[in-house]
Amino acid sequence: SQQGEEDPQALSIQEGENATMNCSYKTSINNLQWYRQNSGRGLVHLILIRSNEREKHSGRLRVTLDTSKKSSSLLITASRAADTASYFCAETTGGGNKLTFGTGTQLKVEL
Amino acid sequence: DTGVSQDPRHKITKRGQNVTFRCDPISEHNRLYWYRQTLGQGPEFLTYFQNEAQLEKSRLLSDRFSAERPKGSFSTLEIQRTEQGDSAMYLCASSLAGGSQPQHFGDGTRLSIL
Repeated sequence: SQQGEEDPQALSIQEGENATMNCSYKTSINNLQWYRQNSGRGLVHLILIRSNEREKHSGRLRVTLDTSKKSSSLLITASRAADTASYFCAETTGGGNKLTFGTGTQLKVEL
Repeated sequence: DTGVSQDPRHKITKRGQNVTFRCDPISEHNRLYWYRQTLGQGPEFLTYFQNEAQLEKSRLLSDRFSAERPKGSFSTLEIQRTEQGDSAMYLCASSLAGGSQPQHFGDGTRLSIL
């Protein structure tokens, strides 16, 4: 498998807390993207960070990228029960921008 | 924007049968991707099209798999002589061409091989 690793594999927190997920990847990237997947559904794009960017924000999401360590992190602040889902990072490589996904983090936000 | 639609949502078939899935991308998107996802794993790339041209195929796509996008709009993925190991969620995504374009996913077709 060419998939990178995500850490932790599962995370359970209380509503209102922050959630941090980490991702390591293996190749030189064009960009790195984060997706959310609710059970039994397709993936929803959350945020894209280019290889020359170090940090990006979107609403309650903050993504960092460290190309020297080939790693990225996703922070969700003030989590809500609706944030319960699996979260995947994906490397974008090649001319066609195919995605190579990590193994995902299952986040559960409890009331 | 009606999103990416996939049909059927679920398919149950006996080993050895052929199955075909359809994907309708977002209308203005010229790139279309197929991925396969097994339980507890991230999706794995299978193939992608730019307009009607199939530009890349993964080595996961054995000879039993074929994908088409005849007019650069909808796409089909066919699996011939299905095997137990083909049981998975098959996801379709579309995007605009270009360096930093997000992919928009359908809800997938879940294939179960009896």
